[in-house]
Amino acid sequence: EVQLVQSGAEVKKPGESLKISCKGSGYSFTNSWIGWVRQMPGKDLEWMGVIHPGDSDTRYNPSFQGQVTISADRSLNTAYLQWRSLKASDTAIYYCARRQGARHPFDYWGQGTLVTVSS
Amino acid sequence: EIVMTQSPATLSVSPGERATLSCRASQSVSSNLAWYQQKPGQAPRLLIYGASTRATGIPARFSGSGSGTEFTLTISSLQSEDVAVYYCQHYNNWPCTFGQGTKLEI
Repeated sequence: EVQLVQSGAEVKKPGESLKISCKGSGYSFTNSWIGWVRQMPGKDLEWMGVIHPGDSDTRYNPSFQGQVTISADRSLNTAYLQWRSLKASDTAIYYCARRQGARHPFDYWGQGTLVTVSS
Repeated sequence: EIVMTQSPATLSVSPGERATLSCRASQSVSSNLAWYQQKPGQAPRLLIYGASTRATGIPARFSGSGSGTEFTLTISSLQSEDVAVYYCQHYNNWPCTFGQGTKLEI
């Protein structure tokens, strides 16, 4: 059974750093892509970027380029989304999701990680 | 960046009736179009991919059609459990943008 399990909710202050995780199981982690999707409170879904853990090929939405870093650790079957300096506007639920290839949809989703940034 | 536009923003349908949701792409995405369902407090779930193929376990009352720039999701006979927000997303190239969603109400 394919599963994506994300790390727990976080409460941070503006300016702090953060790294959240997404652990995949039940499929070949290195032969698929993992993507990240943001959902701000009460808003729609925003495609942030994807990574192919097999070769670390990473693609960003230009809107998020430079704001976050997507990475993966093949040995842990885990993908990460990282911020160096959080802002209040980063408050959102962040979902990870799997896609089997470059021209495939997101077929499995994690449960989401709520990130709250507040002073 | 391809812009995906969904209509209407909100749709109210009686149980047992048909619901028709639309999605338009600002340029052709071929058939590289997916529909997702998101219920309150839950992660999105894949309904349709390749514009018209139902994902595993999706009831037959959900169907998709279209290609190029115009797409439709149809729910043939609305059930109470279909209340959700529905999003389209293209995956033809990067970034794979989502539409803004259609909220389906009973």
